[in-house]
Amino acid sequence: DIQMTQSPSSLSASVGDRVTITCRASQGISSSLAWYQQKPGKVPKLLIYAASTLQSGVPSRFSGSGSGTDFTLTISSLQPEDVAAYYCQKYHSAPFTFGPGTKVDIK
Amino acid sequence: EVQLLESGGDLVQPGGSLRLSCAVSGFTFSNYAMSWVRQAPGKGLEWVSAIFASGASYYADSVKGRFTISRDNSKNTLYLQMNSLRVEDTAVYYCAKRHTTVTANFFDDWGQGTLVTVSS
Repeated sequence: DIQMTQSPSSLSASVGDRVTITCRASQGISSSLAWYQQKPGKVPKLLIYAASTLQSGVPSRFSGSGSGTDFTLTISSLQPEDVAAYYCQKYHSAPFTFGPGTKVDIK
Repeated sequence: EVQLLESGGDLVQPGGSLRLSCAVSGFTFSNYAMSWVRQAPGKGLEWVSAIFASGASYYADSVKGRFTISRDNSKNTLYLQMNSLRVEDTAVYYCAKRHTTVTANFFDDWGQGTLVTVSS
């Protein structure tokens, strides 16, 4: 099975900072990658799919890029409401594995 | 409005069984693949199982042979039969719906989750 990794596992940044999270697949998955945000105590929310397509209603400060095995989620200007865990997920084929997550908080 | 409502979570002893349900509304259930995703306390998301509109089903290795996913389109309900439960199955179990417009298994709607605790 394809394994998903994320880095870093956590980060702390200032409001307004540019934040980048990396997701890596152990084998190529084309652009079949989604990103989710999960705020504390809340249900996961879809941010991006097809590696770079922004889900409707998601702020434009969120963006995604990559294909094959290496992907990034970027928050162009970190806001207090972005404090959350972020997960990537492959959906190329079953199993539809999630990455281990990256926790983002405010410095 | 899409709604997904899980039920059936409980405290169960190791080796026991439990059946989770997810009642849905607001979309044509029979047309959509559905999944179960779990989250152990303080941990990340783990995809558990999926069932396609065709009825084809898939499982994570961690639950294969112990869990069975099914659906009743006449009742707009998704199920997860969990047998031979282990302590490590303790988690909040979410049902999740395939994306509304893209036929691929990522999820744009989630239930609120139901807690399964496996402990003696």
